[in-house]
This record gives sequence, structure tokens and C-alpha cells, in this order.
Amino acid sequence: DAKTTQPPSMDCAEGRAANLPCNHSTISGNEYVYWYRQIHSQGPQYIIHGLKNNETNEMASLIITEDRKSSTLILPHATLRDTAVYYCIVRALYNNNDMRFGAGTRLTVKP
Amino acid sequence: GAVVSQHPSRVICKSGTSVKIECRSLDFQATTMFWYRQFPKKSLMLMATSNEGSKATYEQGVEKDKFLINHASLTLSTLTVTSAHPEDSSFYICSASPPRTDTQYFGPGTRLTVL
Repeated sequence: DAKTTQPPSMDCAEGRAANLPCNHSTISGNEYVYWYRQIHSQGPQYIIHGLKNNETNEMASLIITEDRKSSTLILPHATLRDTAVYYCIVRALYNNNDMRFGAGTRLTVKP
Repeated sequence: GAVVSQHPSRVICKSGTSVKIECRSLDFQATTMFWYRQFPKKSLMLMATSNEGSKATYEQGVEKDKFLINHASLTLSTLTVTSAHPEDSSFYICSASPPRTDTQYFGPGTRLTVL
């Protein structure tokens, strides 16, 4: 019973930006938005997280709407190695039991 | 980032045997670790929360006598699948959070195949 909705799959051309949307319309004020990805047969990899401000790190940017009901993960220059399942998770701070994975978005980066 | 390891990476066993999977936090101490299970083409499902020095907390529907969890130190949690059966075949993944952060870091996973 994940609290997020993501498209099941997306394609992106190599070198272009990949924009992965996530809806979390029931997000609470104390819940963060986390993004992980899972490359085939590996454990999930942490990408980025945020509360209400946009965030950027060496892997990606996270854009959260002002009402916080949706967000977008941006991979600025997708490579073939970015092909993975991307999970958007909402989770309250220091509430470790609530890391719930939905179905995620399967991103395929094509040459 | 923080590193979490698992051992073994894959294991094949006969039905009825028990299998132990180790999860270690390599560069930080973790009072809490988490165990997930993932079936093919499915998402991760939280099985239990492993607490150092106390009993694990299991999610609804997960048999605690079937999946024994021991968190004996601040860097090691073990999951033992007892009397394994083919339906226990799955990808088992652990995670942990470094102190003063709330980000979970995941191990590489252990693929269990029960014949």
C-alpha cells in the first residue's frame, strides 16, 4: 500500500534528460520524498531525497511541487547504465518502519 | 555513501535445510537493520525490522519462526530461513541507516534458490 503513483515504464534517449514523475497526493507535512533505483539483480541504490525545496546532487535533481503532491526526478544526461527501476517513496523522518516500495518506473535508456 | 554488504550473494540449498544470510554495515554502526524480500518482477516487501540487542519486529504475514533474525552486534544482522522450501526462493535484501541520518542504504542482495 505504497503512497505513491508512478508510470510503470518510460524510455529515454541516451544523452537526453530523463524526467521521472511521481504523484504523492496524500503526503503529510512531516514526510520526505525519497528516490531509489534498482538495477537488475542488485540492491536498491539511494539517489536523492527532499522535503519541500528542490534538491540536486551529483546523480540527479529532485523537483517538488509547491503543494508537495507530486515530484519529478531528473537525470540530466541519461546513460545506458541508468537503465533501472526507479522508486519514489514518501516517508516520515525517523519513522524507519514506513519505507514502503511501490511498483516503481522501469526506465529504459536507449542508444 | 555508507556501505552495506551481504553474504552470500547467492545460495542454492535443498528443501528442508536452513540457510543463514548475513548483513553487515561496513563503515558505520546500525542499531536497526531491515530485511526485505523480492520475488521476480515484483517490488521489495519489508519482512522485518532487526533491532540490536532485542527481538526483531515482523511485518504482518511473515512467520517469525520461519525467518529467524539475530542482530547480535551493531554491524551485523543475520536472517536464517529455517526448513526452506521452494516457495522461499527469492531475493533477500537488507538495509541500514547510519547514525544521525534517515537514509537507508541497501545491501547487494542474496539470491536464494531452494530445490
